[in-house]
Amino acid sequence: EPEVTQTPSHQVTQMGQEVILRCVPISNHLYFYWYRQILGQKVEFLVSFYNNEISEKSEIFDDQFSVERPDGSNFTLKIRSTKLEDSAMYFCASSVLGKTSTDTQYFGPGTRLTVL
Amino acid sequence: RKEVEQDPGPFNVPEGATVAFNCTYSNSASQSFFWYRQDCRKEPKLLMSVYSSGNEDGRFTAQLNRASQYISLLIRDSKLSDSATYLCVVNSSGGYQKVTFGTGTKLQVIP
Repeated sequence: EPEVTQTPSHQVTQMGQEVILRCVPISNHLYFYWYRQILGQKVEFLVSFYNNEISEKSEIFDDQFSVERPDGSNFTLKIRSTKLEDSAMYFCASSVLGKTSTDTQYFGPGTRLTVL
Repeated sequence: RKEVEQDPGPFNVPEGATVAFNCTYSNSASQSFFWYRQDCRKEPKLLMSVYSSGNEDGRFTAQLNRASQYISLLIRDSKLSDSATYLCVVNSSGGYQKVTFGTGTKLQVIP
């Protein structure tokens, strides 16, 4: 069964450093998403991406965040200058279509980001 | 009022028991509703979508009450493998892709 993959599984970085989290969505999917989950808290939507541009984003997704699809398979989340509060599990997801009423989002296993 | 609210639990139930979770949402314009399951330190996985008419998948039954703005999940004949956190998910108004997760209800099925 096709699945969303994410690398690395765990990333440790110093405060102020830039990190790039990588995701490979399911190959025929057109919509891509990033979520984060701070330990012990709920899953929070960050951004959705379609046709090489952001289609929706949350208030969490400020100027320090950016997303990119650098080639035909990868989908990346960049955090420019990490803060302690960015420590969380980051999940990538993808779906065939973008309408949640008829479509399923498949989640990757996540990248645990630890900012020291 | 929180956008999506769930009783955090934990619900500790014996194997074979029936257990029900409720979830309330604040945005009356929400159109799509889901139950996801999340195992400890793992990704959320879709359990089932929730339709207005209610839907059933094996031991799992989901119901939607739009008038009262709540969603329910019923698990019959609980198995040990059902132990997980159950996440209520609702799409937000104004967008198809943005969904809001509840904090989840933890279920522990005891032998």
